[in-house]
Amino acid sequence: KQEVTQIPAALSVPEGENLVLNCSFTDSAIYNLQWFRQDPGKGLTSLLLIQSSQREQTSGRLNASLDKSSGRSTLYIAASQPGDSATYLCAASYNQGGKLIFGQGTELSVKP
Amino acid sequence: DTEVTQTPKHLVMGMTNKKSLKCEQHMGHRAMYWYKQKAKKPPELMFVYSYEKLSINESVPSRFSPECPNSSLLNLHLHALQPEDSALYLCASSHVGRKKETQYFGPGTRLLVL
Repeated sequence: KQEVTQIPAALSVPEGENLVLNCSFTDSAIYNLQWFRQDPGKGLTSLLLIQSSQREQTSGRLNASLDKSSGRSTLYIAASQPGDSATYLCAASYNQGGKLIFGQGTELSVKP
Repeated sequence: DTEVTQTPKHLVMGMTNKKSLKCEQHMGHRAMYWYKQKAKKPPELMFVYSYEKLSINESVPSRFSPECPNSSLLNLHLHALQPEDSALYLCASSHVGRKKETQYFGPGTRLLVL
């Protein structure tokens, strides 16, 4: 069964800290992996997408890596800010049909 | 323009009502999706349309009826819903057939079934 797991479920850090969010997936035959951000009661905002042939993607203070052999992806956030507070979801796709398998999310709180 | 719009933002309906949710995008995407999200849970896929044809139905009860009248529009018709169907309903769209198939999500419709 294809499953995606995110640890920890919640994380609280002081402003300015660098942090890593973890995502693991059971089936390494991944098509791509996406990281999303969701603010309370809102839709999802796409942050980064890593194709199966790539090892990492960067956007501003965000860096996502993909290690298919170990079934892991990480999202690195540099110099965290209170505005980064949100739930972060990773989602794996195994074909071009578009079905995403989501992790349970990590709820991040960045304290001023 | 990378926007997916959804209407209405909020909806309250009784179990005997019929209502519809609407989703629209103008990014030229030919894949559109409906997700259901309960509080503190990740989104669950309900339906996928590819080139205006239903390609995935995740065993959703027939009281939910999707419709894709054209490449920019996606509807979800609701009838005889149950209180447990109360949730945030999210629409998304993406290109088809490319590995960089980022899904763009709308803000959602928050549905309350009484």
